[in-house]
Amino acid sequence: EAGVAQSPRYKIIEKRQSVAFWCNPISGHATLYWYQQILGQGPKLLIQFQNNGVVDDSQLPKDRFSAERLKGVDSTLKIQPAKLEDSAVYLCASSLLLTVNTEAFFGQGTRLTVV
Amino acid sequence: GESVGLHLPTLSVQEGDNSIINCAYSNSASDYFIWYKQESGKGPQFIIDIRSNMDKRQGQRVTVLLNKTVKHLSLQIAATQPGDSAVYFCAEKENQGGKLIFGQGTELSVKP
Repeated sequence: EAGVAQSPRYKIIEKRQSVAFWCNPISGHATLYWYQQILGQGPKLLIQFQNNGVVDDSQLPKDRFSAERLKGVDSTLKIQPAKLEDSAVYLCASSLLLTVNTEAFFGQGTRLTVV
Repeated sequence: GESVGLHLPTLSVQEGDNSIINCAYSNSASDYFIWYKQESGKGPQFIIDIRSNMDKRQGQRVTVLLNKTVKHLSLQIAATQPGDSAVYFCAEKENQGGKLIFGQGTELSVKP
């Protein structure tokens, strides 16, 4: 079974530039998560999708971050404009169901450096 | 807001010894707890999970203990190996909506 695919693996941009990350979840997984992981910290949930609908985006900085999952499969996360504090690893995860006891599978992440 | 946290940021053990990684959580309504292992440059990898109606669950070389009275979760790794060196996160899942909340992490270092 193929895992969660993310691209790019690494990205370096200057502050105030824009950047986009792509995620392809495991086939058939209805739930998709985007997490931000700052160095030395645990992942922080940014947004959660169920199919193509948003379940939770309470911690997404909506003035600069946006995400979509138009066809309920692939997802993109965009930052515009980027700030220095956005430097982090952005992790995508998927799970089969929204229910409580279903594990989430993570991609390798995209490491973003804002200079 | 409520969050899941860990007691120790680092843990160093000798190869072959048993490791115990601890976690405190604050949301008494959480129904599901998971331990993840994260190696450098990789995403978190599922290790073991436990529902709130259980107090112990065993896997291969790993055991998770849940004490709901004191809101404490622990991961025990038997016969720790160098390949176990990684950062370990506990996470809790809220009952509704499936939001997965992570703690800070404990870095496990295994000395040969």
